[in-house]
Amino acid sequence: DAMVIQNPRYQVTQFGKPVTLSCSQTLNHNVMYWYQQKSSQAPKLLFHYYDKDFNNEADTPDNFQSRRPNTSFCFLDIRSPGLGDAAMYLCATATGLGITYNEQFFGPGTRLTVL
Amino acid sequence: GNSVTQMEGPVTLSEEAFLTINCTYTATGYPSLFWYVQYPGEGLQLLLKATKADDKGSNKGFEATYRKETTSFHLEKGSVQVSDSAVYFCALAVPELSFGAGTTVTVRA
Repeated sequence: DAMVIQNPRYQVTQFGKPVTLSCSQTLNHNVMYWYQQKSSQAPKLLFHYYDKDFNNEADTPDNFQSRRPNTSFCFLDIRSPGLGDAAMYLCATATGLGITYNEQFFGPGTRLTVL
Repeated sequence: GNSVTQMEGPVTLSEEAFLTINCTYTATGYPSLFWYVQYPGEGLQLLLKATKADDKGSNKGFEATYRKETTSFHLEKGSVQVSDSAVYFCALAVPELSFGAGTTVTVRA
């Protein structure tokens, strides 16, 4: 089945130690998103790629970076995790054409714990 | 700006009860509207969608109608089951998704 895969499902890191979360998709969608979701809150968009074009949300901290080496993969790098970065990180994909984006398909998420 | 206002929870129901979760939106243009569901420990799943006024989205017994005149997209289900216990998010796309705050629904046997 075509899907969005996130690895690992659970990640534990230490305060200040860089961590990378990965997302892959078999849907061949040209748009990929990273969201941060804290407990009992709505997902918050961090950034997205439209093809190779990177789009950062204005309030996303510089501590968060992303890479998309090809259509299928997208990575979220947290350079120096703080306690406040503990959250569920959700990857999503969609097809987009011009200013029209179709519905997003979400992966299962990676739960990040910062010690 | 674009925003979604969603009925606050938590909502607790008995099995076979009627469920409605209110959702209203503010947007420029003509957004697509969605309901996503999130089961414990999982990502979001698209439950249903509507892309233009008067469209009705439906799936798994859930329905919602895109009402342009009242800028609403209320979610309804006639008879809930324990397996419907989850968090429900209303969202609009213009084109990035803007989510409501989410409504936690618990269905008791």
